[in-house]
Amino acid sequence: GAGVSQSPSNKVTEKGKDVELRCDPISGHTALYWYRQSLGQGLEFLIYFQGNSAPDKSGLPSDRFSAERTGGSVSTLTIQRTQQEDSAVYLCASSLAGLADTGELFFGEGSRLTVL
Amino acid sequence: AQSVTQLGSHVSVSEGALVLLRCNYSSSVPPYLFWYVQYPNQGLQLLLKYTSAATLVKGINGFEAEFKKSETSVHLTKPSAHMSDAAEYFCAGRAAGNKLTFGGGTRVLVKP
Repeated sequence: GAGVSQSPSNKVTEKGKDVELRCDPISGHTALYWYRQSLGQGLEFLIYFQGNSAPDKSGLPSDRFSAERTGGSVSTLTIQRTQQEDSAVYLCASSLAGLADTGELFFGEGSRLTVL
Repeated sequence: AQSVTQLGSHVSVSEGALVLLRCNYSSSVPPYLFWYVQYPNQGLQLLLKYTSAATLVKGINGFEAEFKKSETSVHLTKPSAHMSDAAEYFCAGRAAGNKLTFGGGTRVLVKP
């Protein structure tokens, strides 16, 4: 597609439920990133994919968080047993070849998660 | 470890006045630094990137940034603020590997 697409744009869930957030990167972009943006917290790195592998998962806050990428394209971020502190905007970004060059990240508009 | 610090979470400027947003980075950062802008209810958009080719980099919408290695800073400026500049601005740096680390963001309010 023309840009990075994320769905759902808004998700309200109850504490303890599982949620899945989807990211469809720009066609041809091999690198994909997930960030979390909490109110007043800036952007927090979660995970980075190069192709289907995730060489850097260092930002995942707990084992309730997981992500996968299939076919070198779409990625899904899964949060199990959601907690209220998981409420945030989850941003996905893609880039042509990671940041090995000076490539910029292209961001989607985010998925706003609210855990009641 | 890599870190990027933005000074001031909120900045208020009058329309037509200078916009100055401050960003400092840790000395361990490779010289790839970025400024992104986030307009209300939108994703982040690249404003400019510094890649060590020049100390002064021009970006979109009249913004520019000057890289000062001696001060480990890459402050963002615009000579004359416009109402449309009201947004949140993020400084970011590339750490080891491929992770882009962001500062906490500075929200700009433009007064008429």
